[in-house]
Amino acid sequence: LAKTTQPISMDSYEGQEVNITCSHNNIATNDYITWYQQFPSQGPRFIIQGYKTKVTNEVASLFIPADRKSSTLSLPRVSLSDTAVYYCLVGLYNQGGKLIFGQGTELSVKP
Amino acid sequence: NAGVTQTPKFQVLKTGQSMTLQCAQDMNHNSMYWYRQDPGMGLRLIYYSASEGTTDKGEVPNGYNVSRLNKREFSLRLESAAPSQTSVYFCASSLGTFSGRSTEQYFGPGTRLTVT
Repeated sequence: LAKTTQPISMDSYEGQEVNITCSHNNIATNDYITWYQQFPSQGPRFIIQGYKTKVTNEVASLFIPADRKSSTLSLPRVSLSDTAVYYCLVGLYNQGGKLIFGQGTELSVKP
Repeated sequence: NAGVTQTPKFQVLKTGQSMTLQCAQDMNHNSMYWYRQDPGMGLRLIYYSASEGTTDKGEVPNGYNVSRLNKREFSLRLESAAPSQTSVYFCASSLGTFSGRSTEQYFGPGTRLTVT
């Protein structure tokens, strides 16, 4: 299973755009890249998923270069409520979506 | 539509006691998962069930057993609890095995287990 590497922590201010990059050098052909958000004392929440190029939804964008060895989660105009831990994962779609969670990136948004 | 529910929310056990954590989902998902999360750590997969009738080991299966009771329910059993099993346990479900969306998992609120 592919392992991921992402920064342990990041700081930002309200209104800024935040980009969190994740490296996954040994991603397999069939792996999807998925990002989750976790608030204290809650289960993780799915944010966005992609396979290649760019995916955008109402809360975030995911940029994946052609070699797929890294990906970047982009959060536009963060607010205090975006303070959370963000996990980058790669998983096998044809084996029950078995996922490996790393330590994640602790994002702190300040006023 | 409750999503993924877990019972109990909190539990304290003595070393050697047994208990079963219950999980149910009402989204008609095929795959279900059990994770544990220790303080300051990411989640680690204990067991998963890709579809009704099948179960497989994850990263840290030792000391646990699971049962996929039906499509909705997936239970986790600790036969003889140890202090090292003190953790927060999360259950999750996803659409299915044969879909890229199987990596989109929906998590329950967690069970906080303390073993003394």
